Parts: sequence; C-alpha cells; structure tokens
Amino acid sequence: DARVTQTPRHKVTEMGQEVTMRCQPILGHNTVFWYRQTMMQGLELLAYFRNRAPLDDSGMPKDRFSAEMPDATLATLKIQPSEPRDSAVYFCASGLEQGGTPSERTEAFFGQGTRLTVV
Amino acid sequence: KQEVTQIPAALSVPEGENLVLNCSFTDSAIYNLQWFRQDPGKGLTSLLLIQSSQREQTSGRLNASLDKSSGRSTLYIAASQPGDSATYLCAVSGQNFVFGPGTRLSVLP
Repeated sequence: DARVTQTPRHKVTEMGQEVTMRCQPILGHNTVFWYRQTMMQGLELLAYFRNRAPLDDSGMPKDRFSAEMPDATLATLKIQPSEPRDSAVYFCASGLEQGGTPSERTEAFFGQGTRLTVV
Repeated sequence: KQEVTQIPAALSVPEGENLVLNCSFTDSAIYNLQWFRQDPGKGLTSLLLIQSSQREQTSGRLNASLDKSSGRSTLYIAASQPGDSATYLCAVSGQNFVFGPGTRLSVLP
C-alpha cells in the first residue's frame, strides 16, 4: 500500500522549542512538497524538492524554518524556535517526475499531515 | 505568479442533486490540474487528474473538465450523496503546485 507517511500526527510544544516533522515519500517518487494549512491562508507551499535538491522554498520563513532531504526516503521540516503563529497542519506530498522534469502525468499524493500546536 | 480561485466558497444541496464546482487559474501554462477532497481533520485525497492536453476525466459519479485557454476547470458531481460532504480543492501544476481555497460542500439527507 503505497502512501506518504508523516510523523508525528500531532505535536504540542511550548513556544521557543524546536519542532521536527518527518515525511516518508512514496518509494520511487522524486519530488517532495511541504505545505502549511491554516483556516485563514489555506494551503501554502513552503518547500519543493526534486531529486533531493530544493527548487523552491520562497514560501518558507528562512529565519526559523528549514527543510532538508537527508536521503530519498526522508524529508524533514524543522522550526526553531517555534512560535504560536506556527500552529497549523503541515502536509507533505510526493510525486514522480519522469526524466526529472515536470510532466502532465505527474500526480501529487498527500500524507495525513502533522497537526502542530505551539502554546 | 499563479493564482487559483474557487467558486462557490460553500455550497449546501439536498441529496440527489447534480452539482458543479468551479476552479479558475490565471496562468494557462500548466502541466495538469488535480481535484482533491479533504474531510475535516484529514489529509487530501486525489480525486481526478486532468492532463493539460486533455479536456475531461471521469471517475464514477465525478467528471472534471479543463479549458486551459480560459483558465477554468469544473468538477461535476452527479446524484450527490451525504457522503460527498467535504471540502473540494483544485490545484494546478506549473512551476510549482498551487491550490485554490476550496469549496465546502454539504449534502443534506
């Protein structure tokens, strides 16, 4: 059963603490997206990786957020230090771009999300 | 910069009605368009993917159309059921993957 796996599913932390969210893309997929969803802003793209290289992280606050792919089976999103305004659901998605380039057949598959609450 | 809008923001219909959800995008240079369903507190489930060279896709009671030149897509749901109640989001794939704000659908028994 191929699916994107995100851990943890829920996280409550105190302001100022470091938060690490993990994503295991579908095996064989070469693109990974991180999104943040809030009631006010909807789904916002934070970072986009292809073949483990970051292509677009313009939506990510650079001073406190960082996204990496240590290997092809793991993507991480870190917030340090966390703030109450970071409270949201963070989604990871993966897809397969044939030949390393986007195509009309590239479909994105989403994980169940990490619900982060910063108090 | 790609912008995606969805109309209506919310819709409430009695069971059995056919309905149409609309999605508009500003940049027609897209690879494809996906429709997703999101249940409260859950992740996003892909419903249909329409490639940029296609005009429509069908899956069961769902039919999605794409008019790339005018920047529009519609999701048609036939014979709606209470189990269809959810938020429906469209997303376009171009330089990156941009979502619309969603349409919250309620199908009343």
